[in-house]
Amino acid sequence: AAGVIQSPRHLIKEKRETATLKCYPIPRHDTVYWYQQGPGQDPQFLISFYEKMQSDKGSIPDRFSAQQFSDYHSELNMSSLELGDSALYFCASTGPSSGANVLTFGAGSRLTVL
Amino acid sequence: DQQVKQNSPSLSVQEGRISILNCDYTNSMFDYFLWYKKYPAEGPTFLISISSIKDKNEDGRFTVFLNKSAKHLSLHIVPSQPGDSAVYFCAASARSGGSNYKLTFGKGTLLTVNP
Repeated sequence: AAGVIQSPRHLIKEKRETATLKCYPIPRHDTVYWYQQGPGQDPQFLISFYEKMQSDKGSIPDRFSAQQFSDYHSELNMSSLELGDSALYFCASTGPSSGANVLTFGAGSRLTVL
Repeated sequence: DQQVKQNSPSLSVQEGRISILNCDYTNSMFDYFLWYKKYPAEGPTFLISISSIKDKNEDGRFTVFLNKSAKHLSLHIVPSQPGDSAVYFCAASARSGGSNYKLTFGKGTLLTVNP
């Protein structure tokens, strides 16, 4: 079965650079969630989209923005990167076809800011 | 403020014995609870869930117990197997009245099952 696809899996950037992470949800899933997990930390909710509209917002810095496109894939754009942005970024999706609307996660994108 | 707490960072159990992972929450709006399992270099994988209208849900070797009055849930794995070794995340969501299934996670417990 198709899973949530995230790219790139690993990304290394310098401070003050920009990074873009992509998420391709499970087919027919209409909702996408972004989470950030720092070292030794719990995954923190950043933002979610339902049917291409932002549905909820968490602890996402103003330097970050995200959107969901017509094909339901989502991109997380991060600008003016800081050392503290180094983390694992997870995308999850859910939709009418998911059992009990359980979030299914991708493998994550590891961002390292030097 | 940590709304979902997993106070044990790690747990070591012998193969064949019971593993008990604990989780506490503070937000009384949470009405749906899930356990996710995470292997290194992979994303969290859904394991089992429970609605607040129940106090127990069982799926094979995995059972989740919910004590609403104590705002406490636990995951029991019986019998434990070496392949169960992973980080286990407790997660909660407030689903009533909406369709947003955003999860709030605990910090996770690393379970090691020794052969």
